Amino acid sequence: RKEVEQDPGPFNVPEGATVAFNCTYSNSASQSFFWYRQDCRKEPKLLMSVYSSGNEDGRFTAQLNRASQYISLLIRDSKLSDSATYLCVANAGNNRKLIWGLGTSLAVNP
Amino acid sequence: EPEVTQTPSHQVTQMGQEVILRCVPISNHLYFYWYRQILGQKVEFLVSFYNNEISEKSEIFDDQFSVERPDGSNFTLKIRSTKLEDSAMYFCASSPAHASQPQHFGDGTRLSIL
Repeated sequence: RKEVEQDPGPFNVPEGATVAFNCTYSNSASQSFFWYRQDCRKEPKLLMSVYSSGNEDGRFTAQLNRASQYISLLIRDSKLSDSATYLCVANAGNNRKLIWGLGTSLAVNP
Repeated sequence: EPEVTQTPSHQVTQMGQEVILRCVPISNHLYFYWYRQILGQKVEFLVSFYNNEISEKSEIFDDQFSVERPDGSNFTLKIRSTKLEDSAMYFCASSPAHASQPQHFGDGTRLSIL
């Protein structure tokens, strides 16, 4: 089983749609989780951290289910500028390394 | 907003040559990292560095690789004898403390080995 596994994608959605990304992690000792966004040939940029209680930042909502070792990201009212690859990240449980998923590509179409 | 800076943005090198990639982490950050991303593949961890020593490294980070913090601001990645398969985007990142905190990335160096 991959350490961090994401929906393969790509997702193609119209503007205004709601889209959900899912991610599972294999290390039960992982304590910190993040969603990063990466535009083509650019560096990953932190989108949001994921907290146990779930957290929201504008149109973005992240959820964590520790029992199922599952993380999600919901984007509401998607914009053309949301088109990117979304990377799910978990720490390795030793506070020294982050494990990256392969990423899910999102294309928001006019 | 403070940012991680990397130089050069693009490096073209002959196979077998040494290359040094440079990074200036965010000034009050304590942990530094190097990652690489081969075109079309996922971000891969190479090494983390704290308190002037390597705290963790991946299996990719073999004897051909080394890191150094030669002064109070720069953090470098050296590849001693480059191979074709070293061609990738190399990202430097830093975080205020350990990897439970978000890491902030530089915009990368594209390394092309001929």
